[in-house]
Amino acid sequence: DARVTQTPRDKVTEMGQEVTMRCQPILGHNTVFWYRQTMMQGLELLAYFRNRAPLDDSGMPKDRFSAEMPDATLATLKIQPSEPRDSAVYFCASGLAPSGQENTGELFFGEGSRLTVL
Amino acid sequence: ILNVEQSPQSLHVQEGDSTNFTCSFPSSNFYALHWYRWETAKSPEALFVMTLNGDEKKKGRISATLNTKEGYSYLYIKGSQPEDSATYLCAFMFSGGYNKLIFGAGTRLAVHP
Repeated sequence: DARVTQTPRDKVTEMGQEVTMRCQPILGHNTVFWYRQTMMQGLELLAYFRNRAPLDDSGMPKDRFSAEMPDATLATLKIQPSEPRDSAVYFCASGLAPSGQENTGELFFGEGSRLTVL
Repeated sequence: ILNVEQSPQSLHVQEGDSTNFTCSFPSSNFYALHWYRWETAKSPEALFVMTLNGDEKKKGRISATLNTKEGYSYLYIKGSQPEDSATYLCAFMFSGGYNKLIFGAGTRLAVHP
């Protein structure tokens, strides 16, 4: 049963600490998205990769956030230093880049990483 | 700035009621419109992906329509059941933006027995 795997599921840390969230996309998927769940916006797009290349990270605070895909089976989202306002649930999703009517880019979501920064 | 608007923000209905929600999106540079269902404490799951103006899709009691010329999509639930309680998200995928998916804030549906 193919699924997107995220770790950790829950993380409590203190302000100023580095936090790394990991995502294993579904094998064969070539797009990976990082979203943050917010009260106001629902799912806020942070970063987007296609074939491991970062295509869009305009939604991400660049001074403290970074996203990478060191290989096709791992995507990471790092926050350094973390702040209380970063507390949220972070979702990773993967899919196949759209290619006509055969495939329209449906996303498959992981279960999320709940981050609490004290 | 891409804006995906959903209304209403939340909805409370009685079991057996039929209901519908709206998703508004930019009418230019359209590629696809997605609907996702998001239950509390779970992750979003895709319901429909629509690409053509006039598309209608159906899954059980849930159906969706698409109007790309005017930039809106409707999601309908016929005979709501308590298990339909969830947040329903629509997401706009536009052409020329490497197909990234921008989500609306969702419509939170509560179906009361």
